[in-house]
Amino acid sequence: DQQVKQNSPSLSVQEGRISILNCDYTNSMFDYFLWYKKYPAEGPTFLISISSIKDKNEDGRFTVFLNKSAKHLSLHIVPSQPGDSAVYFCAASLGGGGNKLTFGTGTQLKVEL
Amino acid sequence: ETGVTQTPRHLVMGMTNKKSLKCEQHLGHNAMYWYKQSAKKPLELMFVYSLEERVENNSVPSRFSPECPNSSHLFLHLHTLQPEDSALYLCASSQSTGGVNEQYFGPGTRLTVT
Repeated sequence: DQQVKQNSPSLSVQEGRISILNCDYTNSMFDYFLWYKKYPAEGPTFLISISSIKDKNEDGRFTVFLNKSAKHLSLHIVPSQPGDSAVYFCAASLGGGGNKLTFGTGTQLKVEL
Repeated sequence: ETGVTQTPRHLVMGMTNKKSLKCEQHLGHNAMYWYKQSAKKPLELMFVYSLEERVENNSVPSRFSPECPNSSHLFLHLHTLQPEDSALYLCASSQSTGGVNEQYFGPGTRLTVT
């Protein structure tokens, strides 16, 4: 049973527009959420994170929103650039340390010219 | 370049072979991880090491045997694997396992078991 779900396997957006990637989770004990980006033939790289005590975190073009009541988070990229084309993974961590991450299956974002 | 390297990048092995995957981190981190990523599945955590001590084994079959000789190196020894073990194996490191801190991933080893 997947505790972190990314229901859209792919997303296509035009350059300059907003990209919105979604993630749902089932375990209400998750207290920290991360987004990773992965290019082909490379490992995932950390992008942005958010603690469960916040509902928004912004870093440049990237903003993560957390809706705890809906157990939903989203990553907004604006404006989208061709270099943003990659697979985006949502991950969640339980409190209590251990730094164990539960990942979603990823969403392939394609930013078109 | 994330500071985590993995060798080999690709490996094809038969079911009776023994091989090892190597991971090295140049970030001064104290925690290292092995993940498995199968097609259309999420990354699955296999093992966690903190200061060279294994702190997590996620019910991984014994045909996978990790080794962490020091905080910079992590190995995954493979023997008598099955075709369903074919996957991308990713190594990661982080500052510690206490609290939550970002993990830095290597490029992975694409393993094919024939």
